[in-house]
Amino acid sequence: DAEITQSPRHKITETGRQVTLACHQTWNHNNMFWYRQDLGHGLRLIHYSYGVQDTNKGEVSDGYSVSRSNTEDLPLTLESAASSQTSVYFCASSVLAPTDTQYFGPGTRLTVL
Amino acid sequence: QKEVEQDPGPLSVPEGAIVSLNCTYSNSAFQYFMWYRQYSRKGPELLMYTYSSGNKEDGRFTAQVDKSSKYISLFIRDSQPSDSATYLCAFRKMNTGFQKLVFGTGTRLLVSP
Repeated sequence: DAEITQSPRHKITETGRQVTLACHQTWNHNNMFWYRQDLGHGLRLIHYSYGVQDTNKGEVSDGYSVSRSNTEDLPLTLESAASSQTSVYFCASSVLAPTDTQYFGPGTRLTVL
Repeated sequence: QKEVEQDPGPLSVPEGAIVSLNCTYSNSAFQYFMWYRQYSRKGPELLMYTYSSGNKEDGRFTAQVDKSSKYISLFIRDSQPSDSATYLCAFRKMNTGFQKLVFGTGTRLLVSP
């Protein structure tokens, strides 16, 4: 069955370190997204990609970067982790259809100390 | 004013009760209305979507949209303990091109046996 996976599921890191969160989907979807979910804020879009070599900033992109070298993967990099980036991160993928149904991964819980 | 308002709950009901979950929104450009369900420590999954005003039914779930009042609801009949989850409303402006989903903060529902 097609799926979307994230790794690691839990990560603890220190302020200033570079961190990369992996996202891999086997849906063969062109569109991929990274969100963060925080209490009181809901899901906020960090970056998104329409396809290979395409990346775009979302509403909370400062301090994050992504690259898309193939259809299946969209890794999210925190260049220099900050405590404000402690959050739960979700990757999603979709086909641009009328509903733009987004299929979410299980999430990565990141703690920055 | 936030684009989307959603009561965070928790909403506690006994098994078998009818549940009403609601969101209000301010952006009249929203055309697609969705409900996602998120179990604890999992990613959100699409439960229902609607395009126009009115009701849409799927089993025990009914989605209702009132564009004139900028108000959407999700009704759950004969609620079950397995319905205990956080329910997120989501909105999208139009079909063409990329339009990001705007999520509510989620309402946590607890259904007790």
